[in-house]
Amino acid sequence: DAKTTQPNSMESNEEEPVHLPCNHSTISGTDYIHWYRQLPSQGPEYVIHGLTSNVNNRMASLAIAEDRKSSTLILHRATLRDAAVYYCILRAPTLLIWGAGTKLIIKP
Amino acid sequence: DTAVSQTPKYLVTQMGNDKSIKCEQNLGHDTMYWYKQDSKKFLKIMFSYNNKELIINETVPNRFSPKSPDKAHLNLHINSLELGDSAVYFCASSHGLAGVETQYFGPGTRLLVL
Repeated sequence: DAKTTQPNSMESNEEEPVHLPCNHSTISGTDYIHWYRQLPSQGPEYVIHGLTSNVNNRMASLAIAEDRKSSTLILHRATLRDAAVYYCILRAPTLLIWGAGTKLIIKP
Repeated sequence: DTAVSQTPKYLVTQMGNDKSIKCEQNLGHDTMYWYKQDSKKFLKIMFSYNNKELIINETVPNRFSPKSPDKAHLNLHINSLELGDSAVYFCASSHGLAGVETQYFGPGTRLLVL
């Protein structure tokens, strides 16, 4: 069965880059990789997604390994507002596999 | 204007009761979802509907029954509530089913079964 694996938690200093890893070794060729984050007491919100190539948007960058078995979410300059649980997801029309999430702690 | 709304926000009830949670989206999306988030923060898809048709139906007890009266609404009815049903339930929607589609989540319904 497809699944994603993430570290339980990570710490980073404010205004430094953060690299959040995700392993998805059972990914299929048509599965997209999505990242969402969840702030306390809120619903998850979309961060970024990709299929094969690296992606950038205003929130983050997504680096996808050449074999697609892992990916890394990159926050270029973490702020206190980025403290959240970050989820890595495999997505296809009839598939939605969520990882357990990484709790990102930002130290001022 | 809230894109995806859920009612109620909090629900406290006794074991054995039947309750419903409502979800509405005003984004014009074709696909809607129900998720359950337990106390350990695991998010698990329960159901997805596309154009009112059930697409994803994960292994959940038969006591949970989704109903989609139209594309903008997906309600969740739970019969004979049990202690283990206590969780936060999130509704979400997306433009379509494809893997590229982004999901938009509601604020969640916090269910506590006593």
